[in-house]
Amino acid sequence: DAKTTQPTSMDCAEGRAANLPCNHSTISGNEYVYWYRQIHSQGPQYIIHGLKNNETNEMASLIITEDRKSSTLILPHATLRDTAVYYCIVRSHMEYGNKLVFGAGTILRVKS
Amino acid sequence: DTEVTQTPKHLVMGMTNKKSLKCEQHMGHRAMYWYKQKAKKPPELMFVYSYEKLSINESVPSRFSPECPNSSLLNLHLHALQPEDSALYLCASSPKTDRGNEQFFGPGTRLTVL
Repeated sequence: DAKTTQPTSMDCAEGRAANLPCNHSTISGNEYVYWYRQIHSQGPQYIIHGLKNNETNEMASLIITEDRKSSTLILPHATLRDTAVYYCIVRSHMEYGNKLVFGAGTILRVKS
Repeated sequence: DTEVTQTPKHLVMGMTNKKSLKCEQHMGHRAMYWYKQKAKKPPELMFVYSYEKLSINESVPSRFSPECPNSSLLNLHLHALQPEDSALYLCASSPKTDRGNEQFFGPGTRLTVL
């Protein structure tokens, strides 16, 4: 699986959009970009994933560049409860039950 | 039922004890996972079970012994652990879909080895 690079930490004002970048310059054609987050003392939570098209769900939007070498997770109206570690993970899901390899992630602090 | 449950929430054990962690899901997922997470570090995969068979063992020491008695249950048997094994142990499961298989995590068991 390709490696990802994320900023160590970011701050965001409550009510504003949080834009979390991720670089994955060695991503291959069959690899998807997944985002998870982990709120303190809880298990990780799946947010969104995509291959090459932009994706949106009730939690967030995922913007993937045309060359697929980077992506941005957007939380449109961040709240204090969005304070968490956000993990960007690249993986193939050709095989059922393959593993997630977590990097260090980005600590997002939402402040009032 | 749309969650993964783990018991116990907290466990303190001595190095000579034998204990077990339990994980359960009733979402019909046929892949289940154990991860270990040390403080301020990301989760690290330990084991994967796919259709009740062990498919991935990330070179985990034999003092950790996984078991998948049926499609809803996953156990992790612990024996002769070391203090450095103290960590949050996370269980996850994933469905098989055409759009990938995002993993659903339980809240974890916080293990302290004395």
